[in-house]
Amino acid sequence: GQNIDQPTEMTATEGAIVQINCTYQTSGFNGLFWYQQHAGEAPTFLSYNVLDGLEEKGRFSSFLSRSKGYSYLLLKELQMKDSASYLCAVIDSNYQLIWGAGTKLIIKP
Amino acid sequence: EAGVAQSPRYKIIEKRQSVAFWCNPISGHATLYWYQQILGQGPKLLIQFQNNGVVDDSQLPKDRFSAERLKGVDSTLKIQPAKLEDSAVYLCASSLDAANIPYNEQFFGPGTRLTVL
Repeated sequence: GQNIDQPTEMTATEGAIVQINCTYQTSGFNGLFWYQQHAGEAPTFLSYNVLDGLEEKGRFSSFLSRSKGYSYLLLKELQMKDSASYLCAVIDSNYQLIWGAGTKLIIKP
Repeated sequence: EAGVAQSPRYKIIEKRQSVAFWCNPISGHATLYWYQQILGQGPKLLIQFQNNGVVDDSQLPKDRFSAERLKGVDSTLKIQPAKLEDSAVYLCASSLDAANIPYNEQFFGPGTRLTVL
């Protein structure tokens, strides 16, 4: 079966750094997405990784290790508006997108 | 550029009633997706269209759910009859799916929140 694992919930402090992990077991791999979803809103694109390594985009970075079936999203200088769910999604060998359940990130002052 | 449009935003019905949702994707996007998202879970793909053809409907409960994408643009998703467990947010997304782009980002509409009583 296909499986994507993420922590259900994480808490961090405003101004700090947080790392959200995602591990996957899928039939093939053709890329990995991270999406942000604020409560009651639609998911919005954050990042895409297909090769091993770190992709940096402002305060957000995403890392991929294909050999380990592992990715993380790193959020720096946390702001209250970063309180949201973060969804990891993998493109499998059939080019279908497999979604994780998401990690709810709570930012405290 | 206009985003993905969906209507209605909210719908409350009683079980065994019927309901329909509408989606207008971003202009020029070939692929359209309908997702069901239950609170606290990730999106679950119900059906994927490429232009007006179905690519994947393996998780669509076909005894009660149906979807169409006439002329390869707008799409409707129908539930008939609804059950209590259908209470969820129904998200529509679209993607460009051109051969010359590195990845196909999905753009989501605001969703329709369905409550079945």
